[in-house]
Amino acid sequence: GAVVSQHPSRVICKSGTSVKIECRSLDFQATTMFWYRQFPKKSLMLMATSNEGSKATYEQGVEKDKFLINHASLTLSTLTVTSAHPEDSSFYICSAGSPGQGANEQFFGPGTRLTVL
Amino acid sequence: GQNIDQPTEMTATEGAIVQINCTYQTSGFNGLFWYQQHAGEAPTFLSYNVLDGLEEKGRFSSFLSRSKGYSYLLLKELQMKDSASYLCAVLDSNYQLIWGAGTKLIIKP
Repeated sequence: GAVVSQHPSRVICKSGTSVKIECRSLDFQATTMFWYRQFPKKSLMLMATSNEGSKATYEQGVEKDKFLINHASLTLSTLTVTSAHPEDSSFYICSAGSPGQGANEQFFGPGTRLTVL
Repeated sequence: GQNIDQPTEMTATEGAIVQINCTYQTSGFNGLFWYQQHAGEAPTFLSYNVLDGLEEKGRFSSFLSRSKGYSYLLLKELQMKDSASYLCAVLDSNYQLIWGAGTKLIIKP
């Protein structure tokens, strides 16, 4: 099956710093990458959808200036949490796919656990 | 609005069979997914149904009725490693996944 990697898997940072998370589709090209966050014992919450070469579409309530998404190629998307605060501590998961183009399944990366001190 | 309903938690015995139900109301339908998620890990794909009927894949089967807005995931010969959350998700008309809150399945010896 298709493989999606995320880096780093865990990160601990001080409040006020910025953290970049990379999401790569290793053996396929995806038109769309999705970024989710998940709090303990809660369901996945979609943050934004990004298509290669265009601006990301953010869900209501997600600050685009705080969560910067760059989707530079069909195999790489990055999420940067700017000026991170303790309330940003969460499990961030990306997924990749080509919905509506014969491949509706989303393949998930292993997730990044962010802890902001 | 869009809504996915599934039970919060279920308990079953090792070796038994369990059925996890999911009902949905969404704007459009392009398929229904079941994912498994172990604590602290990302979801992994189990099944995808876009037509009515039963899809069988080893110990796991998934059923869909589009007219009823209903699906179930059937797990047979339960093993302790099947203890996890099971997420139902529907791909809507915009090809966006709408997620249920997940069903935590507890397997007892």
